[in-house]
Amino acid sequence: TQLLEQSPQFLSIQEGENLTVYCNSSSVFSSLQWYRQEPGEGPVLLVTVVTGGEVKKLKRLTFQFGDARKDSSLHITAAQPGDTGLYLCAGARYKLSFGAGTTVTVRA
Amino acid sequence: DAMVIQNPRYQVTQFGKPVTLSCSQTLNHNVMYWYQQKSSQAPKLLFHYYDKDFNNEADTPDNFQSRRPNTSFCFLDIRSPGLGDAAMYLCATSSGASDPYEQYFGPGTRLTVT
Repeated sequence: TQLLEQSPQFLSIQEGENLTVYCNSSSVFSSLQWYRQEPGEGPVLLVTVVTGGEVKKLKRLTFQFGDARKDSSLHITAAQPGDTGLYLCAGARYKLSFGAGTTVTVRA
Repeated sequence: DAMVIQNPRYQVTQFGKPVTLSCSQTLNHNVMYWYQQKSSQAPKLLFHYYDKDFNNEADTPDNFQSRRPNTSFCFLDIRSPGLGDAAMYLCATSSGASDPYEQYFGPGTRLTVT
């Protein structure tokens, strides 16, 4: 059983469109991280959110941590082909647990 | 630049032939992790070292072993690889301080078993 559920599993959009990826759990996390993984490479940490209700922005990427610290979302504005990759959320309790990931493809 | 390095990037081994994957880090982090990742799946933690203390996940097969001779290096040994062990193997590090457990990954080793 996956502790963290990510949706959608796959997402294909046109360059310039917006997208949102969701990460949900019934468990409370002390922090939550988002990683991006490109084919054949290891995951790269994008952001860590710690406080319930926290919103962090990283250029065109907006990350939100739910008030109850059980869920998170990643929103990308005006997606570019360089945003293509596998997006993984990971929740921290006494260790890090990964979601199954969302594969995002941005078509030029 | 401080980083996590994995060698080789691609490894082909025969069914049942022992193989060793290596990981080194220049971040001087206390914790080193080994993950197995199969296609379109989440990374699965196999074990980790906190300094010299080894922590095995309950569902990690005995076929997988690890060594950490010093702070910088960590090895993953697969004693008798089966076809089901073909996967990407990721090494990661973290500072070891309490939460948020931010982890820094190497580029991975893609293991093929023939």
